[in-house]
Amino acid sequence: DAKTTQPPSMDCAEGRAANLPCNHSTISGNEYVYWYRQIHSQGPQYIIHGLKNNETNEMASLIITEDRKSSTLILPHATLRDTAVYYCIVSVANNLFFGTGTRLTVIP
Amino acid sequence: NAGVTQTPKFRILKIGQSMTLQCTQDMNHNYMYWYRQDPGMGLKLIYYSVGAGITDKGEVPNGYNVSRSTTEDFPLRLELAAPSQTSVYFCASSYSLAGGARTGELFFGEGSRLTVL
Repeated sequence: DAKTTQPPSMDCAEGRAANLPCNHSTISGNEYVYWYRQIHSQGPQYIIHGLKNNETNEMASLIITEDRKSSTLILPHATLRDTAVYYCIVSVANNLFFGTGTRLTVIP
Repeated sequence: NAGVTQTPKFRILKIGQSMTLQCTQDMNHNYMYWYRQDPGMGLKLIYYSVGAGITDKGEVPNGYNVSRSTTEDFPLRLELAAPSQTSVYFCASSYSLAGGARTGELFFGEGSRLTVL
C-alpha cells in the first residue's frame, strides 16, 4: 500500500546538510507530500509539507521536482538531535500512510 | 496546553481480556485518529473521527471499537485482546483533515505500549 519509496537508512556528519530523498511516482495532482519524523519511540513529529512549490520553515526545506514524482527533505545543519526515522508521506483523504521511513543517523 | 494525552503508557493484557486506551486533546481539534505501530514498521490507521459523534474505519479496524462523545476525547476499545494486538498505539489530532492543504498537521500523543500474552 505504500505510495512512497525511501532508502532504509542514511548517515550524516554533524553540522552537514542532510538530504533525504523520496520517490512518489504515482502521486496524483491534488496529493500533498508530507514529512514527519519519529525520535526513538515517541509520537511522530510534523516537519513540513508541500504540493508543488518548494517549501521552507524553521526546521527544514522541501524540494519537490517539477514532475512531482520525487522530493527531497533537507536539514541544513544536522545535529545529533536530528537522529530519527523520517517518513515521507503522500496524503490520502483522511489518512497519512506511514511507510517504514529512512533511519537517519547523525554522526559526531 | 498539554496537547494530546494518552493513558495508560504501558499495559500488559492476557488473551481475551478487554481494555480501553484513553486519548484526550485540549486543542479543540475536530479530527482525531488512532494508529498502531508494530516493531520496525510504520504506523497504520485504525479508526478516525471528524467530529463528536462521527467515526470511521481506517486500514486495520478489526478487533477495535471507538466512540467520540466529546470533542476532547477519543477512546479506543479492545474487546478480546489477541497477541496480534501487541503494539504501540498512538492517538493524534488535527485542526483540519489529515493530508489536506490547510495545516493538516497531526499532533501525536506519546503512545501506549500494549503487550498481550
